[in-house]
Amino acid sequence: ETGVTQSPTHLIKTRGQQVTLRCSSQSGHNTVSWYQQALGQGPQFIFQYYREEENGRGNFPPRFSGLQFPNYSSELNVNALELDDSALYLCASSRSGQGWATEAFFGQGTRLTVV
Amino acid sequence: AQKVTQAQTEISVVEKEDVTLDCVYETRDTTYYLFWYKQPPSGELVFLIRRNSFDEQNEISGRYSWNFQKSTSSFNFTITASQVVDSAVYFCALKSGNTGKLIFGQGTTLQVKP
Repeated sequence: ETGVTQSPTHLIKTRGQQVTLRCSSQSGHNTVSWYQQALGQGPQFIFQYYREEENGRGNFPPRFSGLQFPNYSSELNVNALELDDSALYLCASSRSGQGWATEAFFGQGTRLTVV
Repeated sequence: AQKVTQAQTEISVVEKEDVTLDCVYETRDTTYYLFWYKQPPSGELVFLIRRNSFDEQNEISGRYSWNFQKSTSSFNFTITASQVVDSAVYFCALKSGNTGKLIFGQGTTLQVKP
């Protein structure tokens, strides 16, 4: 059973640029969530995708958007990058269809630095 | 409002000591789930345990144990005979309502010294 994998592991971007982060969910999982973790803080929920549709969103502006593909992999896109977007971005996959009780398994994250 | 509070920012113990990490949660939902995750320096969040709101039975897994008390809205985590490899940031999280959203506490950094 393969785990959750994210790419790239590290990324440096300039303010105003756009970035795409990628996530492959764990085998058998159909739901993907994205979290932003600033240094020294707990992860903050960005949004969740289920059956290729956004299904729940946290307090993040529209310049944070995502996609889920038929194979359940996902992308997180951030436009017009700001310095405060510098953080660790975590992807989590879980298996839904049995309610939302199942635990989420996380990838190793993408460390984004905006300069 | 839903909230998770981990009042202990950092804890430092010597190897083989027992240590308890506190977690207090707030939710108005009657059905909810509580989790603990471990985050080593590599960054990945490692799932440790899930409890649902209907099951207050405490759980032990090796050196780890969890004490869930609805009366005080707490879900504390104890490591017995701590080891250097237990050094990490530990997060308590709450999932309630009909979404997959996890609400995390601020985390407790545990340092176990040899």
